[in-house]
Amino acid sequence: GDSVTQMEGPVTLSEEAFLTINCTYTATGYPSLFWYVQYPGEGLQLLLKATKADDKGSNKGFEATYRKETTSFHLEKGSVQVSDSAVYFCALKRNSGYALNFGKGTSLLVTP
Amino acid sequence: DAGVIQSPRHEVTEMGQEVTLRCKPISGHDYLFWYRQTMMRGLELLIYFNNNVPIDDSGMPEDRFSAKMPNASFSTLKIQPSEPRDSAVYFCASSPRTGGGRNNEQFFGPGTRLTVL
Repeated sequence: GDSVTQMEGPVTLSEEAFLTINCTYTATGYPSLFWYVQYPGEGLQLLLKATKADDKGSNKGFEATYRKETTSFHLEKGSVQVSDSAVYFCALKRNSGYALNFGKGTSLLVTP
Repeated sequence: DAGVIQSPRHEVTEMGQEVTLRCKPISGHDYLFWYRQTMMRGLELLIYFNNNVPIDDSGMPEDRFSAKMPNASFSTLKIQPSEPRDSAVYFCASSPRTGGGRNNEQFFGPGTRLTVL
């Protein structure tokens, strides 16, 4: 079945460091891919998405490119801030359905 | 818009008791989803509705769990009887159907943290 695998955290970075959170997926066909972010005590919020191969999603300085050849959707940011501290979830959605399939989440802590 | 509203935010109950979690989706959204979040299993989809009709309940763990959506603005997730292993954060999310719907964003509520003693 469909699945999403994320790198395990927690990830701890200093402010202004470069961030990469790896995400790979297994799915039949051509799913849509998403990154969601969860701040402490809150629900998940959509950060960015890509719906077809080679698409790049971007938002708030974060980027991720849909790579079908490597079945990956890695999240990157050039310079993280303390306010980026949160849990990040990679997710996929089959084009035949409406439900999201989430990875386990990666906790990010950015220190001043 | 107030976003997805869930109540209660926190629930502590004893094993064997009935628990009812409530959700009000964003007005105009056709899809409603219930998720459960635990440390061990992460985020799991329990059930989702389209226009108040359950579409996929394959994620509901067992018969102790039931979900209803009597109208477009209200849904409940009920656990009867509750067990300690049901302790988790339960999220409700809703999504619009415009533009084909499949790639539309799901908007999550703040969650209900359930503790079963």
